[in-house]
Amino acid sequence: GAGVSQSPSNKVTEKGKDVELRCDPISGHTALYWYRQRLGQGLEFLIYFQGNSAPDKSGLPSDRFSAERTGESVSTLTIQRTQQEDSAVYLCASSSKDRDGYGYTFGSGTRLTVV
Amino acid sequence: GQNIDQPTEMTATEGAIVQINCTYQTSGFNGLFWYQQHAGEAPTFLSYNVLDGLEEKGRFSSFLSRSKGYSYLLLKELQMKDSASYLCAVSLASGGSYIPTFGRGTSLIVHP
Repeated sequence: GAGVSQSPSNKVTEKGKDVELRCDPISGHTALYWYRQRLGQGLEFLIYFQGNSAPDKSGLPSDRFSAERTGESVSTLTIQRTQQEDSAVYLCASSSKDRDGYGYTFGSGTRLTVV
Repeated sequence: GQNIDQPTEMTATEGAIVQINCTYQTSGFNGLFWYQQHAGEAPTFLSYNVLDGLEEKGRFSSFLSRSKGYSYLLLKELQMKDSASYLCAVSLASGGSYIPTFGRGTSLIVHP
């Protein structure tokens, strides 16, 4: 597509429920990143995918968080047994080359509210 | 580990010039990005510096000194629409890949 697409744009869930967030990167972008942004805070790195290589999961805050990506297509971020502290905007970004200064294109994010 | 610092908030007058500083202490540095983020919107790419010096792009310029771990974003002829958060991000080597690590952002308020 023309840009990075994320869905849903907003999600309200009850504490303890599982949620799945989707990211559709720009076609041909091999690198895909997930970030979390709490209200008034900076972007917190969660996970990185590059082509068919093993993902870098070093930013995932707990084992309740997981993400998948098939090849160079859609990625899903799953949060199990959600907690109120998980409330944040989850941003996805993709890039054609992670070593060059082309920048990373972000989606509009999913605003997750855990009540 | 990495430490990226930038001021939390700055204010400036329409038509003026403002400089937003960013300092970092990291290992595996590959380059430095600046992003603009309006409230409720996704960050948008402004600039990327990999070598020392000044990169100019219209009203916006970005400077990098790798030896000092220092960068700044310079905004000239400020407009009201420039009110936004400005994010400094350092591209760090991680197991053969490069991952942008963001500072907390500087909220810029432009007033008439």
